[in-house]
Amino acid sequence: DTAVSQTPKYLVTQMGNDKSIKCEQNLGHDTMYWYKQDSKKFLKIMFSYNNKELIINETVPNRFSPKSPDKAHLNLHINSLELGDSAVYFCASSQAPGTSGGRTSSYNEQFFGPGTRLTVL
Amino acid sequence: RKEVEQDPGPFNVPEGATVAFNCTYSNSASQSFFWYRQDCRKEPKLLMSVYSSGNEDGRFTAQLNRASQYISLLIRDSKLSDSATYLCVVNRDYGGATNKLIFGTGTLLAVQP
Repeated sequence: DTAVSQTPKYLVTQMGNDKSIKCEQNLGHDTMYWYKQDSKKFLKIMFSYNNKELIINETVPNRFSPKSPDKAHLNLHINSLELGDSAVYFCASSQAPGTSGGRTSSYNEQFFGPGTRLTVL
Repeated sequence: RKEVEQDPGPFNVPEGATVAFNCTYSNSASQSFFWYRQDCRKEPKLLMSVYSSGNEDGRFTAQLNRASQYISLLIRDSKLSDSATYLCVVNRDYGGATNKLIFGTGTLLAVQP
């Protein structure tokens, strides 16, 4: 009954390779996210998708290409891996803020997956 | 300068101590505020939202001062299980389609027996 799952949990690869990380949520949420947590533990948003549409792209290099085949999945493909890509990548999901009674509901909790630890050698 | 600033710690405190974490944010357009907790090698989890009126959840009390753009978290009667990194987080709404969470670098708490 895992809410947000990611595979693989660990990924060790050589520079220059292409790799993918998969994310799935079974919470019925319509918004999904990718975050990167670097070696200094700083967690930063990379992408946000709402109903399979890209909403946020935080000036991530175009070697990173998210793909959302449906609302429950948001995969991350990384081309030509570099040493600096080594980090923990977290997927998350939430309901979109949306509106209720004509007012924007400002926040719905984001639930995070367990993370994928990527090491580029 | 980071948009959300926290003292990285570590804070080493004995069991039973009271510990306070502070956080400042620079973007006055930030709309909602939270403390997340992240255990070692785990994902972040929402600890509590933070409101201007102040709010309490058991041993945890959070406070927001919008005028000075300052957020705090107080933990009373610390337990060993409170040892974790505490992340100060602010949120900006994207017009109903998504939220954008901005995380502080986190403050590491180590509660000693």
